[in-house]
Amino acid sequence: SQTIHQWPATLVQPVGSPLSLECTVEGTSNPNLYWYRQAAGRGLQLLFYSVGIGQISSEVPQNLSASRPQDRQFILSSKKLLLSDSGFYLCAWSVSSPLHFGNGTRLTVT
Amino acid sequence: AQSVTQLDSHVSVSEGTPVLLRCNYSSSYSPSLFWYVQHPNKGLQLLLKYTSAATLVKGINGFEAEFKKSETSFHLTKPSAHMSDAAEYFCVVSAFGSSNTGKLIFGQGTTLQVKP
Repeated sequence: SQTIHQWPATLVQPVGSPLSLECTVEGTSNPNLYWYRQAAGRGLQLLFYSVGIGQISSEVPQNLSASRPQDRQFILSSKKLLLSDSGFYLCAWSVSSPLHFGNGTRLTVT
Repeated sequence: AQSVTQLDSHVSVSEGTPVLLRCNYSSSYSPSLFWYVQHPNKGLQLLLKYTSAATLVKGINGFEAEFKKSETSFHLTKPSAHMSDAAEYFCVVSAFGSSNTGKLIFGQGTTLQVKP
C-alpha cells in the first residue's frame, strides 16, 4: 500500500533563517506531488505541484520554492523565512483521484 | 471559475443526533467533489468523493453526501454523531474538471463540535 511521509512534524524557526521540508511517498510510481499551506483559521492553498522529476508549477508568488530531485521526493524550501510563512504545510500525492495527504508540518516563524 | 462555499464555519450537535454540513459549489465543468476531514494537527483524510457516478455517495465512518446539480450543493450528512467525529471538515471541488492535477479548491472548513 502507498504511504506518505512528511517531516518534521513541528518546526520553530527565526525570521531570516532557511527552511527545508521534506516529503516522500512509498508504494507508487510517478505520482503527482503537491505542497499546500493552511494558515490559521483558513482553508488550504495550493503552493506547488509537480507531475514529474524536475517539473514544478508554482501557483502563487511567494517566498518559497519547491524541488523534486527524485520521483517520490518533494522538498519545500526557503532561503529566508518571513513571519507570514508561519502555517501548517501539507504534502500530498495522487496518481488519479483523489489526493492523499501527509500529516503536515506546523511551522512557526518567530 | 470554480469555487466552493461552506455555509457554516461551526456546527455543534449532541452525540447520537444527525449531522449536516452544508456545501455549495460553482463550476463551469462537470465537477468532481470531495469531503475531507482533518483532526487537530493532522493531515486530511478523504471521507468520500463524487465523480459523476451515483449522486448519493457513501463514505467512511457512516458519512454520505448527495450531489444536487440543480441546487449546486454537496451537503455532508451522518445519521448519528459520535464523539470521534469532532474535527474540521472541508468541502473540495476540482478545478478545470479534473481531479488529477491537484488543482483543488478548498472551502474554508466547518468545525464540527460533538457534545456528550
